[in-house]
Amino acid sequence: ETAVFQTPNYHVTQVGNEVSFNCKQTLGHDTMYWYKQDSKKLLKIMFSYNNKQLIVNETVPRRFSPQSSDKAHLNLRIKSVEPEDSAVYLCASSPTWGADYAEQFFGPGTRLTVL
Amino acid sequence: AQKVTQTQTSISVMEKTTVTMDCVYETRDSSYFLFWYKQTASGEIVFLIRQDSYKKENATEGHYSLNFQKPKSSIGLIITATQIEDSAVYFCAMRASSSFSKLVFGQGTSLSVVP
Repeated sequence: ETAVFQTPNYHVTQVGNEVSFNCKQTLGHDTMYWYKQDSKKLLKIMFSYNNKQLIVNETVPRRFSPQSSDKAHLNLRIKSVEPEDSAVYLCASSPTWGADYAEQFFGPGTRLTVL
Repeated sequence: AQKVTQTQTSISVMEKTTVTMDCVYETRDSSYFLFWYKQTASGEIVFLIRQDSYKKENATEGHYSLNFQKPKSSIGLIITATQIEDSAVYFCAMRASSSFSKLVFGQGTSLSVVP
């Protein structure tokens, strides 16, 4: 049963446009993440949020800006997309920050194609 | 910095046989957690099994088990009695407190189970 929801499923856009992705989790978790999965299936963490506060910001270009209104929601905005932004963006959640033993629950992903 | 390496790009096995997928990791932490996730053809990523570094016993979960060789920094995933639906990409991942608890993934191994 899906507990991490992402919208949209797919998005095709032109270079230079702005896009926004949404994520919501119904698990009651405190911690949420954005991952990027490239065409080679490599999965890399982009951002980590705990209780709507940014905890970890990996080396991500400034055109990426996450936002969290509450601990159940995490959005990602990309200003002026570039071709290398084409990827699948995956949202995930886990119970709480620091619970390193805990599994993460992933959403279905948003596939972004930049033309 | 943490690093996880999966050298097997793809594996093909006959249905009902046993398969082992390799994974080696690097960390300076004395305590860490190792995970295996499965990504199906639809893109869904699900947690399979976890090994705590301080536990000597290999973890088991259904028809999944782990071969944890701490001196070799190795954590292999063993799937017994494989089924067609086990066909997927399998990711090894590690989490340790010194890396701000981020989940670091390996490159993934694509498993095909054929009749």
